Amino acid sequence: DAGITQSPRYKITETGRQVTLMCHQTWSHSYMFWYRQDLGHGLRLIYYSAAADITDKGEVPDGYVVSRSKTENFPLTLESATRSQTSVYFCASSDIPGQGARTGELFFGEGSRLTVL
Amino acid sequence: AQTVTQSQPEMSVQEAETVTLSCTYDTSESNYYLFWYKQPPSRQMILVIRQEAYKQQNATENRFSVNFQKAAKSFSLKISDSQLGDTAMYFCALPGAGSYQLTFGKGTKLSVIP
Repeated sequence: DAGITQSPRYKITETGRQVTLMCHQTWSHSYMFWYRQDLGHGLRLIYYSAAADITDKGEVPDGYVVSRSKTENFPLTLESATRSQTSVYFCASSDIPGQGARTGELFFGEGSRLTVL
Repeated sequence: AQTVTQSQPEMSVQEAETVTLSCTYDTSESNYYLFWYKQPPSRQMILVIRQEAYKQQNATENRFSVNFQKAAKSFSLKISDSQLGDTAMYFCALPGAGSYQLTFGKGTKLSVIP
């Protein structure tokens, strides 16, 4: 099925462990994004990617690493998880709009709930 | 920097009534889109409606409509004939300057009461 899928949907880990959240999209969208959602903060951008091998920091990148070797995949790695990284993580994608105003519409995965003990 | 402000953390409405969710924003762009996303308890983010800033006509999608006031940088969402399935978090969002990522407000939790 076409769409954007995240895995795992739920993950419990311990402080200091490495965790990777996977994101896969089937639309061949150029842009991919990682957001985290926390109560009282809405959604905040962690990292984004404009194309394969092109990534850039968002608002809250510290403690996270991303890569994008293929257009369809955009994994997010927490190299040494901390309790403050307990959150719901959303992957999203969008395509390059045509002429005129940027559409900016994002298509979201179902989210990954991460708990760091 | 882009900012999006939703001043109502929580709201409630009786079923079949109308409710308006507020959103104000700041941007240096002259041509842009604005969005309302819905997040039901299932957690899936769903696009509700979008508005093109250069269009004077307010966007409508069935029971959902917006009141877009460009000069005031205001973008409110009106839900008519509220249904129980409208219970969700609602986020206002706009693209960042010179980029494609969205900046989101902190959200408004809407509860539709039977």
